[in-house]
Formats: sequence, C-alpha cells, structure tokens
Amino acid sequence: SQQGEEDPQALSIQEGENATMNCSYKTSINNLQWYRQNSGRGLVHLILIRSNEREKHSGRLRVTLDTSKKSSSLLITASRAADTASYFCATASLTSGTYKYIFGTGTRLKVLA
Amino acid sequence: DTGVSQNPRHKITKRGQNVTFRCDPISEHNRLYWYRQTLGQGPEFLTYFQNEAQLEKSRLLSDRFSAERPKGSFSTLEIQRTEQGDSAMYLCASSLAAGPVELAKNIQYFGAGTRLSVL
Repeated sequence: SQQGEEDPQALSIQEGENATMNCSYKTSINNLQWYRQNSGRGLVHLILIRSNEREKHSGRLRVTLDTSKKSSSLLITASRAADTASYFCATASLTSGTYKYIFGTGTRLKVLA
Repeated sequence: DTGVSQNPRHKITKRGQNVTFRCDPISEHNRLYWYRQTLGQGPEFLTYFQNEAQLEKSRLLSDRFSAERPKGSFSTLEIQRTEQGDSAMYLCASSLAAGPVELAKNIQYFGAGTRLSVL
C-alpha cells in the first residue's frame, strides 16, 4: 500500500483537552492536507500546508510540517464532543502537471463530554 | 450549490451482479475523482477525470471496474461481476483544475459516499 501512516490509530480524550495526531509519509510532496470524516460520511477539508511552510493555524487547528522527517502533526486545542471523528492526512505530489493524492490510514478521535 | 452528490447512499447486492454508482460534482468543477475506502482505512485512489477525459487509473481498478464521465459533468462507476472483496465505501470528490500554484483550487470536495455490500 502507498498509504501514509498516522498515529495514534485511536485517541480518546476529555472535552477541553488538546488532541495531537501525527502523520508520516514516504515521498516528496508539494503540499499536505488534513481532512475530517464523521462516521459513515464523506471527508471534509480542514487545512492545507505547503511544503515550504512549517506551521499553519486555522481557528483551533494547528498544523506543523517537517519535510526533513517527512512528517506532519495536527493539533486540535480545547477539544469539543463535536470534534469526535476520524482525521486523515493526504499528501499531494505534483506529477506531470497534475496532483496525486495519497491518504493516510487515519486517527479515530473520541472526545468525551 | 449543494456540494458533491452521490447515489445511491447504500447498495446491497449479490455476488456476481453488476452495480452502478453515480456522482454529481460541484457544477463548476472540472476535475472528478473516485476513491475506495474500506473499514478503518483511508481513501484509496481509483481514477480521475478532467472534464470528460479519464486521465489516470489506479492498479486497484481491475477490468471489472469502469468509470465514465460522458459530458464532463456527472460520472458513473460500474462494477461488473461483483465480489465480496468489492464491499467498501466508494467516494467521489471534485475540484477545480488549476495550475500547481493555485493550490486552493486543487482542494477536493467529497460526497457522502456509496456504501456497497456484496453478499
């Protein structure tokens, strides 16, 4: 499989705590994106970070990218029960003028009220 | 605009039957993707179209699978002679095709998926 690896596979935290998820990948990339998927639903785009960026923020989300280690992390601060979902990273590599996307295996986050 | 729409949401079929799924992308998006997702895994790329042209197919897409986008709008994914291993969620996504600099236009918007169960 070409999929990236995410850890932990599952994470359970109390509401108000921070949640950190990590993603490792294998090839050089143009950008990396994080998506959220609620049970039985499609994926929702959260944030995109370019390969020349090291950190990006969006509301309660903070993403870091370390291209030397081929890894990224997603931090959700002050988590809420509504954040319960699976989170996937997706790497985008530019090949022949088009993007190829590879998704990770996902982290299942459960936020307890 | 209601986003990416997929039909049906659920499909139960017997092994050996043919099934067809439909995806209606966001209207101004000219790029359309199909993915397969099994339980506990991330989406795996199957194929994508730019307008009506099918530009790439994954090795996952065996000869029993065929996808079309005849007028560059909606797309269909057909699986012939279904097998139990075909049971999965089939996801469709669309995006604007733009140059590599305009990254925001390369963001994919996903439909809710079609869950296939092959008995």
